[in-house]
Amino acid sequence: AQSVTQLGSHVSVSEGALVLLRCNYSSSVPPYLFWYVQYPNQGLQLLLKYTSAATLVKGINGFEAEFKKSETSFHLTKPSAHMRDAAEYFCAVSSTGANSKLTFGKGITLSVRP
Amino acid sequence: EAEVAQSPRYKITEKSQAVAFWCDPISGHATLYWYRQILGQGPELLVQFQDESVVDDSQLPKDRFSAERLKGVDSTLKIQPAELGDSAMYLCASSLARTSGSEYFGPGTRLTVT
Repeated sequence: AQSVTQLGSHVSVSEGALVLLRCNYSSSVPPYLFWYVQYPNQGLQLLLKYTSAATLVKGINGFEAEFKKSETSFHLTKPSAHMRDAAEYFCAVSSTGANSKLTFGKGITLSVRP
Repeated sequence: EAEVAQSPRYKITEKSQAVAFWCDPISGHATLYWYRQILGQGPELLVQFQDESVVDDSQLPKDRFSAERLKGVDSTLKIQPAELGDSAMYLCASSLARTSGSEYFGPGTRLTVT
């Protein structure tokens, strides 16, 4: 079985500050890991994904995440927050191979203060 | 850019009534997914189709939920009868590949059961 844990439900940062959203995973097999963003009343958009290549993954909108097997973590970061980054962020895990299924965390709401 | 279409965007229904949601995936995408997202939680896979065949419906409450994709293109998710606990966002996604991280999500249908 696979799962992800996103501690806390809300993070608030000032515009221009570092964004750090935490995600820890549990998986009995080598995982694929993902971060998705969801803006109000919209579907999910893939930010980035780890599929066992480079452990530091760069995504869209200036976000990146680092896969740390020893810590079972896949935290999402962005050096400088922008107002448009305010949204809900979901970490997800899946197994490799065909018919793999995404298992999502509960999500974290990011607020950006002017 | 091609998008996944869903309708209606919002639906209010009384408990014990029947309700149906429609999804039109991106043209050429053989894999189609229905997810349920309860407020404050991450999406949960209800059913996955490969063309017209169900690949995974292990989390679909089959006593009241049904899904079909008769011609392997668009899909309908039905709930009968609706219960208060069914209030959620229902997301459709499609992908070319059968592996995670390649899904494109639609905007969702927000269902409120009164």
